[in-house]
Amino acid sequence: LAKTTQPISMDSYEGQEVNITCSHNNIATNDYITWYQQFPSQGPRFIIQGYKTKVTNEVASLFIPADRKSSTLSLPRVSLSDTAVYYCLVGAWGYQKVTFGTGTKLQVIP
Amino acid sequence: EAQVTQNPRYLITVTGKKLTVTCSQNMNHEYMSWYRQDPGLGLRQIYYSMNVEVTDKGDVPEGYKVSRKEKRNFPLILESPSPNQTSLYFCASSFRDSNTEAFFGQGTRLTVV
Repeated sequence: LAKTTQPISMDSYEGQEVNITCSHNNIATNDYITWYQQFPSQGPRFIIQGYKTKVTNEVASLFIPADRKSSTLSLPRVSLSDTAVYYCLVGAWGYQKVTFGTGTKLQVIP
Repeated sequence: EAQVTQNPRYLITVTGKKLTVTCSQNMNHEYMSWYRQDPGLGLRQIYYSMNVEVTDKGDVPEGYKVSRKEKRNFPLILESPSPNQTSLYFCASSFRDSNTEAFFGQGTRLTVV
C-alpha cells in the first residue's frame, strides 16, 4: 500500500462539518483510496472508498482531485459518536503487507 | 451475517504458556491477516495470508506463528508468550481486489504476566 500522511489529531464542535485530508503522493494507477473508522478497543470499520472525483454514502463523502495525490474525507454535521480515529489507506488490499499510518484522532466537542 | 469472529475476547496467561487465538470468517475471503495494537504505536501487521497454505510475515512477526489450513480459519499461535506480547489483537479478512474492503474482528485483549 502507498505511504499516506494525515494530521495526527483534529477537534471539532458538534454539528460542524469535518474534513480530514490524506496525502498519498505515490498512489498507483490501479489504487483505490479507502477510509476506516476505529473506536477505542474495536476493530476498524470501513467508511468509504473511491477512485476519483467524489463518492458519497450515508455517512460520509470522499473528494479526490484529478491528480489523485490526496483525498479528503468529509463528515457532515458530526456528533459526539463520531469521536474516533480515522485511517486512510491507499492500494489494493489483499496482495501484500498492510501498513497502517498513524490515522487522525478526531475529537468532537459538545 | 458477514463477520470475522475472534476467540477469546479476553485472555490472561502466564509467560511461556502456549496459546492460540482463533479467527474465522464466513465471507469466503482469500486474504486474512493479524494485527496488534499498542498505545502510541497504532495498528501493526503481524502475519498475513493470501490464500490457503500461503502465509507471509508482516511488520512484527517475531514470537508469533500462523497457519492457514482452511480458507475460513487463520489462527494466531504464541508458542511461548512474553509480557511484551500483551496487546490488543485484531484479525481481518478481505477479498483480493483493488476495490475491496477489509472486515475486522472484535479484537482479543491479551495480557501476559
